[in-house]
Amino acid sequence: GQNIDQPTEMTATEGAIVQINCTYQTSGFNGLFWYQQHAGEAPTFLSYNVLDGLEEKGRFSSFLSRSKGYSYLLLKELQMKDSASYLCAVHQAGTALIFGKGTTLSVSS
Amino acid sequence: DADVTQTPRNRITKTGKRIMLECSQTKGHDRMYWYRQDPGLGLRLIYYSFDVKDINKGEISDGYSVSRQAQAKFSLSLESAIPNQTALYFCATSEVAYPGELFFGEGSRLTVL
Repeated sequence: GQNIDQPTEMTATEGAIVQINCTYQTSGFNGLFWYQQHAGEAPTFLSYNVLDGLEEKGRFSSFLSRSKGYSYLLLKELQMKDSASYLCAVHQAGTALIFGKGTTLSVSS
Repeated sequence: DADVTQTPRNRITKTGKRIMLECSQTKGHDRMYWYRQDPGLGLRLIYYSFDVKDINKGEISDGYSVSRQAQAKFSLSLESAIPNQTALYFCATSEVAYPGELFFGEGSRLTVL
């Protein structure tokens, strides 16, 4: 089985930087994925890591350490529109994505 | 038009009724998935299909069945709905080459009374 943990809620201020952590335990690891979900909408793909290290995509970056079973999503220059749930998901080879319970981020002005 | 279309978008039904949620896609993806989302529990995998002849159970398949009628169509059935199946259901697709990049439908909200 897989066990994925991430904080339930986080708050931050506009313009700040926030880091959302995700820890996981799995066998046959085949990638760590981040999704964004605004209230009332479907999740949308943000980023993924297969190898250790940092992947940068504009204001968003994602980091992976496979040996530690650890990832984080870093959001810079926060904007109000970044208020959403952020879902960490693990892909096990030959199966489907399994999601964590999600982190609800609230950005205030 | 949406690439991944779910019908119905909303349904209220009674305990014991049979319900089918349908999903169709125009993305040409081989892989299709059904997830349910509950507050505080995140997205949980019900069933997935890697091609028309392939059906696999997910984390929470009890009480559900699926049918992959064509590459583009994947239906989820609740044979005898019960109140704890009240949830938001999402269909998703992915390419074989990028199995973790899912494209979701808009969701089907099901209420079982």
